[in-house]
Amino acid sequence: DIQMTQSPSSLSASVGDRVTITCRASQSISTYLNWYQQIPGKAPKLLIYAASSLQSRVPSRFSGSGSGTDFTLTISSLQREDFATYYCQQSYSTPYTFGQGTKLEIK
Amino acid sequence: QVQLQESGPGLVKPSETLSLTCTVSGGSISSYYWSWIRQPPGKGLEWIGYIYYTGSTNYNPSLKSRVTISVDTSKNQFSLKLSSVTAADTAVYFCARRALGYCSNTNCYSAFDIWGQGTMVTVSS
Repeated sequence: DIQMTQSPSSLSASVGDRVTITCRASQSISTYLNWYQQIPGKAPKLLIYAASSLQSRVPSRFSGSGSGTDFTLTISSLQREDFATYYCQQSYSTPYTFGQGTKLEIK
Repeated sequence: QVQLQESGPGLVKPSETLSLTCTVSGGSISSYYWSWIRQPPGKGLEWIGYIYYTGSTNYNPSLKSRVTISVDTSKNQFSLKLSSVTAADTAVYFCARRALGYCSNTNCYSAFDIWGQGTMVTVSS
């Protein structure tokens, strides 16, 4: 199985901050990498697919980059509704696996 | 727009079989892959498996011996059965659509683009 490791596990930030979350795969996955946002009590929501493509109706302050084993999710200017947990997921091979999550909290 | 809704018992006894159904509304179940994903309380996400509308399946090896996913295109539904459950199977269970993007000769980009709200299943006597 491909292991996905996110860092940090938690992060405190303020409205308006620029934030970067990192995801590392245990082997090369090209750009087969997706990012999801999960608000407590809700289902995950797809933000970014294929490492850098913005899902429809997702605000442009979200962006993704990377290839191979190292990937980043960047939020350019945090809004209050962005405080949530973020997961990366590899779609390179089954079993599909997720990172452990990064909880983004208000400072 | 396509919506997914999970249904099934919220409480299952140890050693019994967990059974859930996901109903697809606002669109056809045909031409897509459909997945089950679970999340134990306070923990991360685990992919269980997926089914194509034709009935072909792909399961997580860690659960393969206990999992069956089936589809009923006439009802626009797909289902999950997980046998011999233990407390470790207590989780929120999500159904989700696996959408495909660009395909090369060897692989296709995919992502879980539509999710159900999730249903909590507790395994307890």
